[in-house]
Amino acid sequence: TQLLEQSPQFLSIQEGENLTVYCNSSSVFSSLQWYRQEPGEGPVLLVTVVTGGEVKKLKRLTFQFGDARKDSSLHITAAQPGDTGLYLCAPTNDYKLSFGAGTTVTVRA
Amino acid sequence: DTGVSQDPRHKITKRGQNVTFRCDPISEHNRLYWYRQTLGQGPEFLTYFQNEAQLEKSRLLSDRFSAERPKGSFSTLEIQRTEQGDSAMYLCASSMTSGDGTQYFGPGTRLLVL
Repeated sequence: TQLLEQSPQFLSIQEGENLTVYCNSSSVFSSLQWYRQEPGEGPVLLVTVVTGGEVKKLKRLTFQFGDARKDSSLHITAAQPGDTGLYLCAPTNDYKLSFGAGTTVTVRA
Repeated sequence: DTGVSQDPRHKITKRGQNVTFRCDPISEHNRLYWYRQTLGQGPEFLTYFQNEAQLEKSRLLSDRFSAERPKGSFSTLEIQRTEQGDSAMYLCASSMTSGDGTQYFGPGTRLLVL
C-alpha cells in the first residue's frame, strides 16, 4: 500500500499571497493527479503529472513532479478566494484512486 | 449538463434504517466507482463496476453495504441497518476504459445517521 502524506493539513492566507502544498509518498508514483474539491461538491481534476521533473502550469497554478516521482507540489500565485477548497493528490498506479487526506486552503478576501 | 449526477444530495436517517443512493454516470462511460469521504479525509474507494459487473469491493464495504449496476448504466448503493459511523459523503465517479481513464466525480450524497 502506497502511503501518501499531504502537507500542510490546513492553510489560511490573504488574497494575493502565494502558497505551496505538498504531496509525498513512501514509494514511486507511476503518475499523479491533483484535484480540488469545493465544499459540498465532488473532486475536480486539475492536472495529471507523468514524467519525473515535469512542471505543468495552469494559469496561476504550477505543478511540479519530483525527479524520483515520489513527491509533488502545487504552487498557487496571487491566490484568490475562488481558490478556496480541499486540494487532494492521488497516484494513478491503479484503476482506483487512493487519495491523500488533502490540504484545506482558505483564501481570505 | 452531462456530468455525473447523484441523488439525493442529502439524506438524514435514523440509526437502523436502510438508505439507497443513486448515481447516473456520464453516458458513454463504462466504469463506475463509489467512494466514501469522511470529514477531514480524502475519498476512500469502496467498489467499482465495469459495465454491469462489480469487479472489486473494498474491505470498507461491510455486508450491510450492497451496490448494483443492473444494466450497466446507473448504479445504486444501499446501506442496510445504518449506523452512526456510516455518516459520510458518498461519491460516485465514472470513467472510460480507453483513453487516459480520468475519473469524473459527481457532487456526492451527504448522509447523516442520527
